[in-house]
Amino acid sequence: GAVVSQHPSRVICKSGTSVKIECRSLDFQATTMFWYRQFPKQSLMLMATSNEGSKATYEQGVEKDKFLINHASLTLSTLTVTSAHPEDSSFYICSARTGTHPFFGQGTRLTVV
Amino acid sequence: DAKTTQPTSMDCAEGRAANLPCNHSTISGNEYVYWYRQIHSQGPQYIIHGLKNNETNEMASLIITEDRKSSTLILPHATLRDTAVYYCIVRSYGGATNKLIFGTGTLLAVQP
Repeated sequence: GAVVSQHPSRVICKSGTSVKIECRSLDFQATTMFWYRQFPKQSLMLMATSNEGSKATYEQGVEKDKFLINHASLTLSTLTVTSAHPEDSSFYICSARTGTHPFFGQGTRLTVV
Repeated sequence: DAKTTQPTSMDCAEGRAANLPCNHSTISGNEYVYWYRQIHSQGPQYIIHGLKNNETNEMASLIITEDRKSSTLILPHATLRDTAVYYCIVRSYGGATNKLIFGTGTLLAVQP
């Protein structure tokens, strides 16, 4: 099936720094990608919809200035967590749709120390 | 999109069929039922989806009731590697944003 790849799979950063996570569709083009966050023992929560060539659409309660999304090409969306704090530590997952259903990346484990 | 209700957890013996129920009583006519699963610390994996007819693929079978208010995902011969959280999601096909909204899912524990 279609492949969605995230990089890095794990990242540890210091509090106050910014971290960029990449999401790539490897064998298809995606005009729309989605970013989710998942805390331990909880379900996935949709953060935002990334639109190629235009601004992202954020879900209610998600700070757009803290979670910067850029979708500069049909195969790449990036999520930048700015001025990260320990409470931003989480599992971040992206997805993109091709054909009949969305595919998901393997996720990025962010730990802010 | 319609909301779904699933049991929090289920156990299944290895080699036996695992039947995972899902209620979606408010489903509308153009909404599909999708099933994904998430193995610990990985991204969700697509399993199957359907509208009103029963569906089968190499991973599982999906049985949708005639009134479409509930469905059952069947893993015919569960293995230890099927231990995961299974999510039932109702979504309009090709909807405006195509986004999937996840509920709490069912933690399936396959026992040796």
